[in-house]
Amino acid sequence: AQSVTQLDSHVSVSEGTPVLLRCNYSSSYSPSLFWYVQHPNKGLQLLLKYTSAATLVKGINGFEAEFKKSETSFHLTKPSAHMSDAAEYFCVVSDAQGGKLIFGQGTELSVKP
Amino acid sequence: NAGVTQTPKFRVLKTGQSMTLLCAQDMNHEYMYWYRQDPGMGLRLIHYSVGEGTTAKGEVPDGYNVSRLKKQNFLLGLESAAPSQTSVYFCASSSHSLVNTEAFFGQGTRLTVV
Repeated sequence: AQSVTQLDSHVSVSEGTPVLLRCNYSSSYSPSLFWYVQHPNKGLQLLLKYTSAATLVKGINGFEAEFKKSETSFHLTKPSAHMSDAAEYFCVVSDAQGGKLIFGQGTELSVKP
Repeated sequence: NAGVTQTPKFRVLKTGQSMTLLCAQDMNHEYMYWYRQDPGMGLRLIHYSVGEGTTAKGEVPDGYNVSRLKKQNFLLGLESAAPSQTSVYFCASSSHSLVNTEAFFGQGTRLTVV
């Protein structure tokens, strides 16, 4: 069965410093992986997705993620945090048939001025 | 460009009451989903549909029923609400299976059962 583990429930950074949100996955096949962001009291928005075309995936708002099969990881990074990045971030994997998404527990990102 | 619209946005129910949450999408998507979001647990799938007239159980289906009579609508019903169903509910849709396709989410419905 597929599963996702987000290694930090909360990350706090200062504005202008790098962001690293960690995600490990478990899958018996080549997975499709996603990062979604949820701003307070809002729905979820896709940041980026990995679908085996390239291991380094670029998303919106300067975020990117690298798929590392040997480490079963899909960490999300951004070189310089902005106040508007404060939100909850979800690492997500689709199941083998592609019929549903399996969510990690979420990482809340705080950005200090 | 409406995308995925959920109705209502907020609701307070008494234990034992029933209600229906409506999800509508205007993107002609085949797949639709209902998730619940609880603190520290991410989103968990309640039910989903891979096309008009079809439904399937997800991870946490107990206490909920769904119907997909029209392609654009996916209804989630609570027959006898319980405090454990206090949650934020999200509807989502996608054009194909989620192997290479993103899902689009509604704004959520905050339900409190007292």
